[in-house]
Amino acid sequence: EVQLVESGGGLVQPGGSLRLSCAASGFTFSSHWMNWVRQAPGKGLEWVANINQDGSRKHYVDSVKGRFTISRDSAKNSLYLQLNSLRAEDTAVYYCARDEFYSSISWGQGTLVTVSS
Amino acid sequence: QSALTQPASVSGSPGQSITISCTGTSSDVGGYNHVSWYQQHPVKAPKLMIYEVSNRPSGVSNRFSGSKSGNTASLTISGLQAEDEADYYCCSYAGTSTPFVFGTGTKVTVL
Repeated sequence: EVQLVESGGGLVQPGGSLRLSCAASGFTFSSHWMNWVRQAPGKGLEWVANINQDGSRKHYVDSVKGRFTISRDSAKNSLYLQLNSLRAEDTAVYYCARDEFYSSISWGQGTLVTVSS
Repeated sequence: QSALTQPASVSGSPGQSITISCTGTSSDVGGYNHVSWYQQHPVKAPKLMIYEVSNRPSGVSNRFSGSKSGNTASLTISGLQAEDEADYYCCSYAGTSTPFVFGTGTKVTVL
């Protein structure tokens, strides 16, 4: 069974940093692109970033470029998202998702990031 | 990259069919056959319902179908059931710069 378990969310002040993790199991992690998708409270889904199988290709939504960094460790079957220079508008539930056929086919339960003073 | 446009809400009675539209541009929906649809119940993670415009993942009911014409994709739910009441989001590949864009979301209500 595919499992994705996010962790690392919490309350952080504006300008602060957090590192989100996503532990993957039940599939060959190193064979898949991976995505981060977020959802602000009461709002819709927003794709944030993705990374290819060996970590050599990364893409970001414009609003997080230069502030967020996606990475992965295939030895640990883990995906990461480093969040720097956080803003109030980054407050959201962050989901990691396994990509297949240009779709997010499997999702974690999400981790909540709250940016507030 | 702007969000794809979906109606805010769609409703129908049990047993009826409803269709949710998802309008983009030639740079996303119209340019690629990489449109997917997600169902999200309250306080739950999204679930993939359709990928590559019209394909259903294993385990998804055949009451859900997808299509695309030009810059607009559509999700049809046939034989509407109470459990279909949820939010639905489309998503399209949009090229290598910002690969994916989601729709604004549609709340489906079963009357």
